[in-house]
Amino acid sequence: DQQVKQNSPSLSVQEGRISILNCDYTNSMFDYFLWYKKYPAEGPTFLISISSIKDKNEDGRFTVFLNKSAKHLSLHIVPSQPGDSAVYFCAAFFSGSARQLTFGSGTQLTVLP
Amino acid sequence: DTAVSQTPKYLVTQMGNDKSIKCEQNLGHDTMYWYKQDSKKFLKIMFSYNNKELIINETVPNRFSPKSPDKAHLNLHINSLELGDSAVYFCASSQETDSNQPQHFGDGTRLSIL
Repeated sequence: DQQVKQNSPSLSVQEGRISILNCDYTNSMFDYFLWYKKYPAEGPTFLISISSIKDKNEDGRFTVFLNKSAKHLSLHIVPSQPGDSAVYFCAAFFSGSARQLTFGSGTQLTVLP
Repeated sequence: DTAVSQTPKYLVTQMGNDKSIKCEQNLGHDTMYWYKQDSKKFLKIMFSYNNKELIINETVPNRFSPKSPDKAHLNLHINSLELGDSAVYFCASSQETDSNQPQHFGDGTRLSIL
C-alpha cells in the first residue's frame, strides 16, 4: 500500500530547461512534504520542503508546489544543470507520527549537457 | 565533517549470523531513525527513537533490535539473518522539537546475506 507514489521512474531533460518531478499521495493526514536528492552510494540529502498550509515554496532554482485537493506535489528545477542528475525522492509525514517519513520510490533525473 | 555516520559501509555475512550496524550523529539531534531500502528502492521506516521513547514499525521482525547507549548513537542489531534482510540500511537524525528541520541521513550500510 504505497501512500506516496512517484509514477515516473526516470526523467531526462536538456541542460538549461525546466525539470518537473511529480509526486502523489493518498494519506490525507500528511501535513508536511519534503524532497530529497540522492547520489549513488550516498544517503538522501534534504532539498526543499513544504507545509500543508502553503501551496508553494521556493529556494533558488528549486520550487515545490502543493495541490492538496488533488493530493499532488511537484518539484520544479529551473534551470536544470548536469549536477542535478540524481534520484529524487518525495517524502511525507504527519504531525504526531514522530516525523517518520513515508517515501516514494524515487525518480532518476538525468540532465543532459 | 560527517553529520550522520554509519559503520560498516558494506557488510557481507552468512544466513543465520547475528550482526550489528552502528550509527552516530554529531548534530545534537534528539531523535534518530533507521530506514531500510529494499530491492525496489523504497525507503521504509523501521524505527524512531527519541531518548524516552522507542517507536517500532509493526512490520519489522523482532529479530531487529535498536539499541541507543546515548542520544548520539542508535545501533541496529540483527539476529538470525535471513536472505530477505539483504538491503541498504540508512540511519537518520532530526530535532524533534523543531519541525522545520529535516532529517539528515547517513550514507547507508549495504548488507548482503549469502
